Amino acid sequence: AQSVSQHNHHVILSEAASLELGCNYSYGGTVNLFWYVQYPGQHLQLLLKYFSGDPLVKGIKGFEAEFIKSKFSFNLRKPSVQWSDTAEYFCAVTGGDDKIIFGKGTRLHILP
Amino acid sequence: KAGVTQTPRYLIKTRGQQVTLSCSPISGHRSVSWYQQTPGQGLQFLFEYFSETQRNKGNFPGRFSGRQFSNSRSEMNVSTLELGDSALYLCASSFTQETQYFGPGTRLLVL
Repeated sequence: AQSVSQHNHHVILSEAASLELGCNYSYGGTVNLFWYVQYPGQHLQLLLKYFSGDPLVKGIKGFEAEFIKSKFSFNLRKPSVQWSDTAEYFCAVTGGDDKIIFGKGTRLHILP
Repeated sequence: KAGVTQTPRYLIKTRGQQVTLSCSPISGHRSVSWYQQTPGQGLQFLFEYFSETQRNKGNFPGRFSGRQFSNSRSEMNVSTLELGDSALYLCASSFTQETQYFGPGTRLLVL
């Protein structure tokens, strides 16, 4: 069965620090990968997605993620975080059965 | 385009009661998926409907059921509510399976 692991449950950073949130999945076939963000009091929003092609994907608000097939990973990065990036981040994957599986989320807190 | 809408936004019920939640997808979207979000378990997939048919189902008991109407609107029903059913229930619609757009959710509290 597919699964998604987000190893960091809580991350606290200062503004301007660099960010990398880990995401690993288990599925041997072709996958589609997503990062969603949920800002306090707001809906889930799509941050970026990977279907095929260039494994380095650029998303909104300066976020990017790199798909490394050999490591079954799709880590989210941002070179310099802002206070407004405080939110919960979810990695998700769809595989052969088209069911979307979410990780348990990473709460990111940025100190001003 | 209007986004995904869910009603009601907040609901308080007691154990043993049943509840129906509603979701209106983005116009033109035929797929509607339901998720339960809790602090302990995170986001868990409940089921997905496409063209009035259940296409996928997660690992939830039979007390959780759903349906989709011809206009793509969907309802989710939970019977014999338990305290553990307290959660944020999210609906997401998509044109294709690949990208889903989420609604604001219905926060259910079971007392």
